[in-house]
Amino acid sequence: AQKITQTQPGMFVQEKEAVTLDCTYDTSDPSYGLFWYKQPSSGEMIFLIYQGSYDQQNATEGRYSLNFQKARKSANLVISASQLGDSAMYFCAMREGSLGGSNYKLTFGKGTLLTVNP
Amino acid sequence: DVKVTQSSRYLVKRTGEKVFLECVQDMDHENMFWYRQDPGLGLRLIYFSYDVKMKEKGDIPEGYSVSREKKERFSLILESASTNQTSMYLCAGTTTGLGSPLHFGNGTRLTVT
Repeated sequence: AQKITQTQPGMFVQEKEAVTLDCTYDTSDPSYGLFWYKQPSSGEMIFLIYQGSYDQQNATEGRYSLNFQKARKSANLVISASQLGDSAMYFCAMREGSLGGSNYKLTFGKGTLLTVNP
Repeated sequence: DVKVTQSSRYLVKRTGEKVFLECVQDMDHENMFWYRQDPGLGLRLIYFSYDVKMKEKGDIPEGYSVSREKKERFSLILESASTNQTSMYLCAGTTTGLGSPLHFGNGTRLTVT
């Protein structure tokens, strides 16, 4: 079973509008972290935002916010006031924390390609 | 600033060749990873290492091996390259901590002909 599911292969948004990229996850570990990365056409992976399973508040970083709904196991990325430079592939990822030590790997979803239209 | 460097941006190799992909980090990170990225499949973990000479298989280790003789260097080895190993390979490192993000290199696009 997939641990990270991104159901939107592609999304379109008008410049200056907000957009939500969906991510659902599957884990029985009570301690976990959720990450979002951006990959522009240049190929670099850019870390955007992090949410821990015990964090009480939704994470925010500038125009990025994470809509964390623990009971629904969803961690959607919200980008406000979209810009042309936001056009990129976006990946959701999860780290399960209870094993510690040798378990610092991230499991990634398949990604969502966001296109911002002028 | 954090830096993970992959030795080659593009590589073209022939079927059956032994291929080495090198990755160096300057962040003193304990943990290093090799992923491959294919369209529609996202990033899939090949191998990772949490200490010198320590390694663990990821989700798709078949056809690959790794070496970590020094903390800063993590090598991915294709013992006998095959065309289905044509892909983008991404190296990453991270410190200990649940919230520590992975820092990625710029990737190596490998083509096996």
